[in-house]
Amino acid sequence: DVKVTQSSRYLVKRTGEKVFLECVQDMDHENMFWYRQDPGLGLRLIYFSYDVKMKEKGDIPEGYSVSREKKERFSLILESASTNQTSMYLCASSAWGRDQPQHFGDGTRLSIL
Amino acid sequence: GQNIDQPTEMTATEGAIVQINCTYQTSGFNGLFWYQQHAGEAPTFLSYNVLDGLEEKGRFSSFLSRSKGYSYLLLKELQMKDSASYLCAVTNTDKLIFGTGTRLQVFP
Repeated sequence: DVKVTQSSRYLVKRTGEKVFLECVQDMDHENMFWYRQDPGLGLRLIYFSYDVKMKEKGDIPEGYSVSREKKERFSLILESASTNQTSMYLCASSAWGRDQPQHFGDGTRLSIL
Repeated sequence: GQNIDQPTEMTATEGAIVQINCTYQTSGFNGLFWYQQHAGEAPTFLSYNVLDGLEEKGRFSSFLSRSKGYSYLLLKELQMKDSASYLCAVTNTDKLIFGTGTRLQVFP
């Protein structure tokens, strides 16, 4: 079974803090993704990566950056957290190929106060 | 532009059949995924359609019509544990575009 592990289920941070969300997958998948999920808006893609050191902007990259130094690990960074970044953050991974399903972690519910 | 439409909520009775529709308009299309997401949990993969027609997997089936930009997920013999959100997602080049999901409530 594919396992995607996110470092925290719940996180509370303050406005202006730098926030790191970590994601690790154990299936040697090439692709990794970060989404945020908000009521009424569905899942929106923030950033994705096809390989180590590679990153591509998704649909809503503003205010975020990512790092992929190792194949199994993909980090999402909120450079200076703001209240509108309060959300559920989901990490996913998939094997190479457009027909390959994405496997999701359990999510991190992040609150910015 | 990109647009994926699903009903926001549906209700059904245990043992019944329910059909969840998804229509899409996207600039590119490679295939369509359905995911299930229980409240507070991760989405899990249900099905993938790339060609027109019906794909059956136990109690769940998924249909695709590429010419109409339309898909549906059919759930048979509904069980209480099927209460969840169902997400339709279209593959567009290298990304998945998700609909906002349909929340299904199954009543006894």
